[in-house]
Amino acid sequence: DAGVTQSPTHLIKTRGQQVTLRCSPKSGHDTVSWYQQALGQGPQFIFQYYEEEERQRGNFPDRFSGHQFPNYSSELNVNALLLGDSALYLCASSFRGQGNIQYFGAGTRLSVL
Amino acid sequence: GQQVMQIPQYQHVQEGEDFTTYCNSSTTLSNIQWYKQRPGGHPVFLIQLVKSGEVKKQKRLTFQFGEAKKNSSLHITATQTTDVGTYFCAGKSGNTGKLIFGQGTTLQVKP
Repeated sequence: DAGVTQSPTHLIKTRGQQVTLRCSPKSGHDTVSWYQQALGQGPQFIFQYYEEEERQRGNFPDRFSGHQFPNYSSELNVNALLLGDSALYLCASSFRGQGNIQYFGAGTRLSVL
Repeated sequence: GQQVMQIPQYQHVQEGEDFTTYCNSSTTLSNIQWYKQRPGGHPVFLIQLVKSGEVKKQKRLTFQFGEAKKNSSLHITATQTTDVGTYFCAGKSGNTGKLIFGQGTTLQVKP
């Protein structure tokens, strides 16, 4: 049973570019949440997708957008990258009926130069 | 907006000593979860507390949820080097799916 998988593992971009990160949830899970984790900080909630719609959103600008596909996988897109977007981006999947317990992937380390 | 604060930020202990981290929310929580993140790793779910005053144990780890459902604690008895990592609490308010994480407590254990 595969857990949550994310790709790529590392990414280097320059300011102003756009990036797409991908996530496949744990088998049986229907909800995907994205988090940004800066060095030495806790994960910050970006948004959550369920039934292919954004259901909840954290305090992130519109440059951050996402998508969920019929197979429950998800993408996180960030436009007009800023230096401050450098962080570990974590995807977490959950099953709607299990109290929002998050199963995290290994993350994508994004560096913006 | 909702905030979750954790103290201390860092804790260095000698192997065998006890360790406690505290979590406080600015709002009443519907539940609280605890996660552990090893250095270079990703957060791994430890436990969820739902009821006011709830206490749960996992071997040497004891988790408590406050009576007012606004605070929680994690206590580790007789730490081991395998306990090294950052411990996060994460709270959920109402019916929102939004999980708000504290900034974590990083535990270092000296053998």
